[in-house]
Amino acid sequence: GEDVEQSLFLSVREGDSSVINCTYTDSSSTYLYWYKQEPGAGLQLLTYIFSNMDMKQDQRLTVLLNKKDKHLSLRIADTQTGDSAIYFCAESIEGTYKYIFGTGTRLKVLA
Amino acid sequence: GAVVSQHPSRVICKSGTSVKIECRSLDFQATTMFWYRQFPKQSLMLMATSNEGSKATYEQGVEKDKFLINHASLTLSTLTVTSAHPEDSSFYICSAREGWGTDTQYFGPGTRLTVL
Repeated sequence: GEDVEQSLFLSVREGDSSVINCTYTDSSSTYLYWYKQEPGAGLQLLTYIFSNMDMKQDQRLTVLLNKKDKHLSLRIADTQTGDSAIYFCAESIEGTYKYIFGTGTRLKVLA
Repeated sequence: GAVVSQHPSRVICKSGTSVKIECRSLDFQATTMFWYRQFPKQSLMLMATSNEGSKATYEQGVEKDKFLINHASLTLSTLTVTSAHPEDSSFYICSAREGWGTDTQYFGPGTRLTVL
């Protein structure tokens, strides 16, 4: 069945890079997304990648997609305390516009 | 651009009452809106997909008579939790998809429902 997995926690020091990983099982996904959720808030779109791309860079964010291994990652360069939040990956399913969300990774940035 | 609002942000009600939550796309027309439920420290669970002018499509296990969804215009969808009970307490989040051929969903800030 459809399943999107993420590690639950990640802790990094301010200024270091963070890498959040995501594995998915549905190969028919068209787009893959990264969202950020701060406590008590909705989801903020960070970036997305089309399924036929390998990499996308957007300022401090780099998304890598390995379609063969169904692995997606989000790298945050120069991580700041304001980056502390929960990060969700999501894949959109072709023909449905629905998302399957990952389990979420709680990123904690230590000053 | 692509801003989605929800109202109210927080609601406390007594058991047995009905609660309406509004989801609006402020600067774009949303052909499709989605309603999610999120339990503490968990991911989002899709409840239903709402297309303007047609009946909502509910996910398996979601009671359509319990969670009434109306998508009357291209900028507004409402979720009504009928005869709410304490187990309905949750964080409800809507999202909106802009136009045709675009998968990207923009999310509202969420509504915290507490049923006493």
